[in-house]
Amino acid sequence: DAGVTQSPTHLIKTRGQQVTLRCSPKSGHDTVSWYQQALGQGPQFIFQYYEEEERQRGNFPDRFSGHQFPNYSSELNVNALLLGDSALYLCASRKLGVSNTEAFFGQGTRLTVV
Amino acid sequence: GDSVTQMEGPVTLSEEAFLTINCTYTATGYPSLFWYVQYPGEGLQLLLKATKADDKGSNKGFEATYRKETTSFHLEKGSVQVSDSAVYFCALSDTRIQGAQKLVFGQGTRLTINP
Repeated sequence: DAGVTQSPTHLIKTRGQQVTLRCSPKSGHDTVSWYQQALGQGPQFIFQYYEEEERQRGNFPDRFSGHQFPNYSSELNVNALLLGDSALYLCASRKLGVSNTEAFFGQGTRLTVV
Repeated sequence: GDSVTQMEGPVTLSEEAFLTINCTYTATGYPSLFWYVQYPGEGLQLLLKATKADDKGSNKGFEATYRKETTSFHLEKGSVQVSDSAVYFCALSDTRIQGAQKLVFGQGTRLTINP
């Protein structure tokens, strides 16, 4: 079992550009959440996807959007990048509908905006 | 809204020392509580969890007890090892919303164990 896989592992973008990050959930999991972790901080919840729909959203602007595909994989898109978007972006997956299942995290994508 | 506060780091201890990392939370309702660990260059790994008051989570020698009266979930280990060096995050999830996966994290505590 490969667990949660994210790609790419590192990325450098210029201010104003757009970026797409990808996540494949752990086998058997059907819901995916995205988190932003700034340097030296705890992860902040961006949004959660289930059944190809956004179910919950944190306090992030509309520049942050996502998608979930029928195979449960997910993308995070960020438009009009700002320097402050530089962070580690973490994807977490879980099996919904089963009590007490834990969320598994990927290793993250390190985004640097210059 | 919900929040988690951890003791500020970094924390540096000698091998075999006793560890406590304090965590308190603010939440409406009865959240589940977690400790996650992040090793250098890696994502988060669940260390332990507790889903109701007075539950004790334990794993790899680490323990934490869900204290509703003090809204706390302090992490403890009796004898730390060099391999325990990592960043530790306390987190909660709101169980009132069915299917909710949102985790609210503290700011993290960097732990360094010297041989």
